[in-house]
Amino acid sequence: AQTVTQSQPEMSVQEAETVTLSCTYDTSESDYYLFWYKQPPSRQMILVIRQEAYKQQNATENRFSVNFQKAAKSFSLKISDSQLGDAAMYFCAYRSGYTGTASKLTFGTGTRLQVTL
Amino acid sequence: IAGITQAPTSQILAAGRRMTLRCTQDMRHNAMYWYRQDLGLGLRLIHYSNTAGTTGKGEVPDGYSVSRANTDDFPLTLASAVPSQTSVYFCASSEVLTTYNEQFFGPGTRLTVL
Repeated sequence: AQTVTQSQPEMSVQEAETVTLSCTYDTSESDYYLFWYKQPPSRQMILVIRQEAYKQQNATENRFSVNFQKAAKSFSLKISDSQLGDAAMYFCAYRSGYTGTASKLTFGTGTRLQVTL
Repeated sequence: IAGITQAPTSQILAAGRRMTLRCTQDMRHNAMYWYRQDLGLGLRLIHYSNTAGTTGKGEVPDGYSVSRANTDDFPLTLASAVPSQTSVYFCASSEVLTTYNEQFFGPGTRLTVL
């Protein structure tokens, strides 16, 4: 079974600075997908960024980017120019690459990000 | 309707009572899921459904049951609630044949079992 580990329960960053949230995973599969979800105090789960294991290029979405190291099984999230609205719980998630059936996600335990002035 | 709705938003329930959490999606997604979120444990899959008429067990299925009579609805039932089922419950849905099969989540139901 796959596991996802987020070793930082809490992180803090000053507004306008850059922060990196770590995520490692364990799998024997070669085809899979990785995701970062944001959960603000509203409780809504919001997809931030996604990465396909076969793509070597790191995904980028505006101020959010990932550092995907397939050999090391690492998938860190970098938030640049942090904003107060980035304060939230962030979850890393994994799913198998097999298509045609339900895409069950395995989540990490989350990192709570605080953004300070 | 915008995506996925869940009802109720929150509920306090006496132990031993039966409870059904409702989930409806309007995106015509084939697959649907139920997760529970507990502090320090992240989200864990309870049950899922590939398509209407089929269901499967996730990581923590004990004490829960689901049904999928049609594409849009995926209710989760606690036959006899216990305090360890106190949690926030999220319903989600996705396609099954796209590249990422991105999951879309409902707003969650906070359930407290006393």
